[in-house]
Amino acid sequence: DQQVKQNSPSLSVQEGRISILNCDYTNSMFDYFLWYKKYPAEGPTFLISISSIKDKNEDGRFTVFLNKSAKHLSLHIVPSQPGDSAVYFCAASEKTSYDKVIFGPGTSLSVIP
Amino acid sequence: KAGVTQTPRYLIKTRGQQVTLSCSPISGHRSVSWYQQTPGQGLQFLFEYFSETQRNKGNFPGRFSGRQFSNSRSEMNVSTLELGDSALYLCASSPYLPGGNTEAFFGQGTRLTVV
Repeated sequence: DQQVKQNSPSLSVQEGRISILNCDYTNSMFDYFLWYKKYPAEGPTFLISISSIKDKNEDGRFTVFLNKSAKHLSLHIVPSQPGDSAVYFCAASEKTSYDKVIFGPGTSLSVIP
Repeated sequence: KAGVTQTPRYLIKTRGQQVTLSCSPISGHRSVSWYQQTPGQGLQFLFEYFSETQRNKGNFPGRFSGRQFSNSRSEMNVSTLELGDSALYLCASSPYLPGGNTEAFFGQGTRLTVV
C-alpha cells in the first residue's frame, strides 16, 4: 500500500508555462514533505520542502503547496525551463521517525522548448 | 566537500549469489539511508543507520541487511539474489540535527543486475 502517491507518471509542458506536479499521501502522521529532482544516471537532489505547520513554501521558481485536510501537496514551477526536465519525487516523513522518508513513484516532467 | 560516494557503480550477479554495496557519506554526516529504485515503484526505503545502529527499517525481506562503521561508512548486503532484486540502489546521507527535518544527499547509486 503506497503511502505517497504521484498519480501522473509523466507530464509535458511548454517552456515558459507553469508545471504543476501533484502528490497525495495517506498517512495522517506525515508532517514534513520534500520534493526531489532526479536526472538520469544521477542520484536525486533535494529541491524544496514544507512543514505541516505551513501551507506554502516558495524558493525562486519553485513553490510547494500543502493541503493537509485533503492530504495533498503540489509543486509549481514557474516559468518552466528545458533544464527542469527530470523525474520529480515527492517524499514524506513523520515526526517520530524523521529519517525514514517515504518516496512516491515519481513524475517524469518534460519541458518542451 | 565531497559528495556521497557509492561503489561499485555497476554490478552483474547471478541468481543465488550475494552482493555487498558500499556507501561513503558526506564528511560529518552520521545518518545513512538506503533505497531501492525500480521502474514504477519509485524509491523504496530499505533502512537507515545512525552511529552504527539501525534506527529504521523498510518492508524488505531479511535477505537485505546492512551495517554502519564507526567512520559512518555503510554497507548493504543482499544474499541469495533473485531476479527481482535488479534495481538501482541509492544511498543517502544526512547531517544530524536535533528534531530532524533535514534533506538527504544522495549518491549516484549502484546499478545491480541479477541474471
